[in-house]
Amino acid sequence: QVQLVQSGAEVKKPGASVKVSCKASGYTFTSYGISWVRQAPGQGLEWMGWISAYNGNTNYAQKLQGRVTMTTDTSTSTAYMELRSLRSDDTAVYYCARQDSSSSPFDYWGQGTLVTVSS
Amino acid sequence: SYVLTQPPSVSVAPGKTARITCGGNNIGSKSVHWYQQKPGQAPVLVIYYDSDRPSGIPERFSGSNSGNTATLTISRVEAGDEADYYCQVWDSSSDHPEFGGGTKLTVL
Repeated sequence: QVQLVQSGAEVKKPGASVKVSCKASGYTFTSYGISWVRQAPGQGLEWMGWISAYNGNTNYAQKLQGRVTMTTDTSTSTAYMELRSLRSDDTAVYYCARQDSSSSPFDYWGQGTLVTVSS
Repeated sequence: SYVLTQPPSVSVAPGKTARITCGGNNIGSKSVHWYQQKPGQAPVLVIYYDSDRPSGIPERFSGSNSGNTATLTISRVEAGDEADYYCQVWDSSSDHPEFGGGTKLTVL
């Protein structure tokens, strides 16, 4: 069965960076893409960006351009999301989600990773 | 960017039908996907491409999309359906997905 398993919770200071991983199993990793979606406490879902696991092409949300980098390691079927220059309003649960293509629905989701930014 | 408008909350008695709307300019020309999110859990896809159901999603969940409104309908509502529901579309003008603000479904 398809599974996306994310890394554990992180606590970071403002200005630091965080890198969250998402290990995929149960399907051919390079046949799909991975999006990252975050959810601030008590808020809705915010799409952050997408990466093709086939060729590494990326598409980032404009508001995060320059602060976010998404990568994949096809040898381990793992996707990564790095967010730099963290601010308090980056505190959120970060989810990875599988997509057939960048415009497809998010059909499987990781369990989420809480990132807390606090001095 | 493309704006999706959902009612913040919908309440329904058990066994009745809940309808959650998602408004957007000519949304009927787009494909709409719906997600269910229970407290402390990741979202789950419940309807995709307006009206298709993933395997494992009960037939009680259905969707429609026309004009400026897409609708998620949950028939014979159960206590376990209590959750937040989000609609989502692909915005071709900005080349990224958009989510609605979410609707909290309360089962009375």
